[in-house]
Amino acid sequence: DQQVKQNSPSLSVQEGRISILNCDYTNSMFDYFLWYKKYPAEGPTFLISISSIKDKNEDGRFTVFLNKSAKHLSLHIVPSQPGDSAVYFCAAKSQISNFGNEKLTFGTGTRLTIIP
Amino acid sequence: NAGVMQNPRHLVRRRGQEARLRCSPMKGHSHVYWYRQLPEEGLKFMVYLQKENIIDESGMPKERFSAEFPKEGPSILRIQQVVRGDSAAYFCASSPTGVRVSNQPQHFGDGTRLSIL
Repeated sequence: DQQVKQNSPSLSVQEGRISILNCDYTNSMFDYFLWYKKYPAEGPTFLISISSIKDKNEDGRFTVFLNKSAKHLSLHIVPSQPGDSAVYFCAAKSQISNFGNEKLTFGTGTRLTIIP
Repeated sequence: NAGVMQNPRHLVRRRGQEARLRCSPMKGHSHVYWYRQLPEEGLKFMVYLQKENIIDESGMPKERFSAEFPKEGPSILRIQQVVRGDSAAYFCASSPTGVRVSNQPQHFGDGTRLSIL
């Protein structure tokens, strides 16, 4: 059962334009969401996160939007740069747990290619 | 380098052998997580440990896999009697100790690529 879904395996965007990566989730207990970027042969690198009490979080060129009623979040990158070419993973967790800091549930990733 | 350190980066084993993967968390971090990534898939949670304690092992296969995080030294993920299906990238992550850690991101190492011949 895929609780976090990234339905677009790949996306190509012209340099300078906006990249929009989408993520859907099914588990209503998720209340904290993260985006990670991954280059080949490296580990995921944390980009940006959002708590369910917010609907938007911005950090430089990266903005994450959360629509709780639709169980949907998106990552906007503007302007897109060649160095943004990577695989982007959406991840989610529930902060309400008996374990303190909880495990992350990942989507399958979207490969973003920025065309110069 | 103050990041999460994993070794070895690549490990080749024959079927039936044992594989040991090591992870040293970031300085000041006492929460360690292991994830596995199969080709063309996302990362799947395996186990969450704190020093000398397994907190959540709900993602660990019931047999052949074990993990530890001793008081001194790195966390170890051990796979006994490896099979071809164990071939994957294994990533370790850590997060900081302290109050309200639940909103802290996990920081990942570069992984160990395990190949089973």
